[in-house]
Amino acid sequence: NAGVTQTPKFQVLKTGQSMTLQCAQDMNHNSMYWYRQDPGMGLRLIYYSASEGTTDKGEVPNGYNVSRLNKREFSLRLESAAPSQTSVYFCASRGQGREKLFFGSGTQLSVL
Amino acid sequence: GQQVMQIPQYQHVQEGEDFTTYCNSSTTLSNIQWYKQRPGGHPVFLIQLVKSGEVKKQKRLTFQFGEAKKNSSLHITATQTTDVGTYFCAGPRRGGSQGNLIFGKGTKLSVKP
Repeated sequence: NAGVTQTPKFQVLKTGQSMTLQCAQDMNHNSMYWYRQDPGMGLRLIYYSASEGTTDKGEVPNGYNVSRLNKREFSLRLESAAPSQTSVYFCASRGQGREKLFFGSGTQLSVL
Repeated sequence: GQQVMQIPQYQHVQEGEDFTTYCNSSTTLSNIQWYKQRPGGHPVFLIQLVKSGEVKKQKRLTFQFGEAKKNSSLHITATQTTDVGTYFCAGPRRGGSQGNLIFGKGTKLSVKP
């Protein structure tokens, strides 16, 4: 059981480049989330998907788009990366009727 | 807006000393969760508290939920080097769907052997 798998683990982009962060879970969870973590800022929710076919904005959605491709996969896209998007990105999932989040191992993104 | 605050931001202790981190919410919470993140790792769920005044123990860790359900604490007795990491509390975001959590900024614990 892999849990929540994120790719890539590390990425360096130039300002203006685009990229997609991939996330997949094998726990048959309904809900999936994208968080970013910045030093001293804790975890802030970017977007979430309460169930397959739905997505909603979180606390800091600007500059990002998401796709819930199917029940397993939830991707995060940066269309035109900016240095302010340098961060560690975590994908998480949650089972129906459960409260706790399961996190992936994270993607460390640097935008130069 | 809704806020979840944690203090202290950093704590350095000698191995064997006790450690406590406090979490305070600007709003009443239906539940509170605690997560631990090891250096270079990802957050891992520790526990959820639901009832007013609830106290739960996990070996050397004691978690409390305040009577007003606006504050919580995590106490570690006799810290060990394996306790190193950042401890986050999180509560449901007001108006958000289930699982939409607001996290505190965390308390980073370092333990000197």
